[in-house]
Amino acid sequence: KNQVEQSPQSLIILEGKNCTLQCNYTVSPFSNLRWYKQDTGRGPVSLTIMTFSENTKSNGRYTATLDADTKQSSLHITASQLSDSASYICVVSGYSTLTFGKGTMLLVSP
Amino acid sequence: SQTIHQWPATLVQPVGSPLSLECTVEGTSNPNLYWYRQAAGRGLQLLFYSVGIGQISSEVPQNLSASRPQDRQFILSSKKLLLSDSGFYLCAWSATSGGAGELFFGEGSRLTVL
Repeated sequence: KNQVEQSPQSLIILEGKNCTLQCNYTVSPFSNLRWYKQDTGRGPVSLTIMTFSENTKSNGRYTATLDADTKQSSLHITASQLSDSASYICVVSGYSTLTFGKGTMLLVSP
Repeated sequence: SQTIHQWPATLVQPVGSPLSLECTVEGTSNPNLYWYRQAAGRGLQLLFYSVGIGQISSEVPQNLSASRPQDRQFILSSKKLLLSDSGFYLCAWSATSGGAGELFFGEGSRLTVL
């Protein structure tokens, strides 16, 4: 069964600090892995998308990594800002399926 | 550029009443369209998807139905709402079918059934 597990479930950090969110998956076959940011009460917005051959991809202060051998991905946020407070969702794509993680709720505190 | 609009943003309905959520996409032709539901503490659940006008695939049997009367219009409906239908509904579109294509979401519709 295809599954995407995210950790931690929630996280509180101080403004300006860095943090790393984890995503483990068992989706097979694998097509790509995406990270989305979802502000409360809004639709998810894509941050990064990585295929099998990509190990890292950046989008501003967001850097995603992918280890296709261990089926793990991480999202690193540098110098966090209050606006980073949101849910971060890992989504793994097979050839014809999308499997969503439950998300990590991040709160950046002043 | 492509945009996706979804409405209403919030809706409070009594049990047994009908439902209609609408979604439209602009700036693209023949998009693949999706309806998702997001319950608190749970991942997004795919409800329906459509690859063309009048073509609807249901992923989860339930009290809801979907229709695609026009190429860029996707409607989520119910004849009689249940308490369990409460949730956050998201419309999305992609340029390609299957799982490989980029998925773009609308702003969501919060439904509360009382």
